[in-house]
Order: sequence, then C-alpha cells, then structure tokens
Amino acid sequence: EADIYQTPRYLVIGTGKKITLECSQTMGHDKMYWYQQDPGMELHLIHYSYGVNSTEKGDLSSESTVSRIRTEHFPLTLESARPSHTSQYLCATSVEEERAAYEQYFGPGTRLTVT
Amino acid sequence: KNQVEQSPQSLIILEGKNCTLQCNYTVSPFSNLRWYKQDTGRGPVSLTIMTFSENTKSNGRYTATLDADTKQSSLHITASQLSDSASYICVVSDRGSTLGRLYFGRGTQLTVWP
Repeated sequence: EADIYQTPRYLVIGTGKKITLECSQTMGHDKMYWYQQDPGMELHLIHYSYGVNSTEKGDLSSESTVSRIRTEHFPLTLESARPSHTSQYLCATSVEEERAAYEQYFGPGTRLTVT
Repeated sequence: KNQVEQSPQSLIILEGKNCTLQCNYTVSPFSNLRWYKQDTGRGPVSLTIMTFSENTKSNGRYTATLDADTKQSSLHITASQLSDSASYICVVSDRGSTLGRLYFGRGTQLTVWP
C-alpha cells in the first residue's frame, strides 16, 4: 500500500460550514486525484492534477475546489457544506510509467457526514 | 456509452470455497483492465492490471482473466479466507497513459463466512 494520508478520516459537520479535506503523499507522484464514492456505487472522479499549479475538474460536477501548491499536498475544500455532500472522499496518486498500464494508489478515504 | 458492469452485486461463500466474480465492459478504445479490492472504510488496493495482450494474471490466490474479444473479465478467488471479505471493483481504462479515463464498476460485495 502506498504512502497516502487523508485527514480527517471521519467528519460530521453542520450545514453551511466550510471544510477542507487534506491529502498528502510522500512518493513524489505528479498525478493526484479526488474521487467521491457513495455506498454500493462506483467511484466518480471530481478533481485531478497533473502537477504543481495544475488542477482540472473531473467527470462528476462538484461544488468543491482543489489546489496544488506543493507536490505532496492536494487539499479539497467545500465552502459551504450541504447534506448532499455526505459521501466518502478518496484521494489517489499515480506516476507515469513506461508500460501501458500505470498504477493508481488510493488513500484510506474521508467519510464526510453533513447534518 | 462506456460502461462497466459487475456481477453478482453481492456474494456469500463459506471459508475455504472458491468463487468467481464477473465484469463486462463496453469501454472503447480499450487499454487495460484492473481489479481492486476495497475493504470497508478503506481505499481500493490494486490486485491485478491486464493489458490487451494479456489474458490471465495471478496474484496469490487471485487469478484474473481477460477476453478482449467478448469484453469480459473474471476474478477467481481460490480457497477463500475471512480476510477476503470486501468489495471487488473492476476498472477499465481507455488509454495507456494517465491522460486516459478510468471507468469504474460498482463492485461485487463478497462476504466469507466461517
């Protein structure tokens, strides 16, 4: 398992609060991703980054924002949390490899509940 | 529409038994197919990655097969253990580089009973 850390692991917060989910990695991987996963459903890509100062929106529309000021960190911010944001958020990294299939490594996830 | 369908949705087996999970996909073009294991409350962990030219790959008690012609893959688990209880996710990529998009299945929830 790769060295990807997510904090907090669990968060219960009230509607309207601003929250930041932290993701950090020690492998020096350029590519980082944020996924959203609801129980029994597939992972949906919400943000990704190819490197420092690079951020892109993913396939699933999200009200969150991300930043990539340092290679190691890829925080995700919700300016005003809503109950619809209740979900599991997974951070992942990858490195470009010469072979066709690159490996993607996932963090342990943050379980967010908005009341 | 590019999709990844997994079956069964859930499966219960007794410890020591074998089982096979299925994955059908319509992703095109096709670059590679991955199987991940996701324990409850954890992130997915890669089990195998297969490219177009590979039709079988093993990782311990896990053996994945790929039929690129019929667009089907299976994950066979031999001599199941209690620790195999998890969700198994099939993921298909349409390109070999990290520019490629990953298409995720909803997973098969496997429960191994003693």
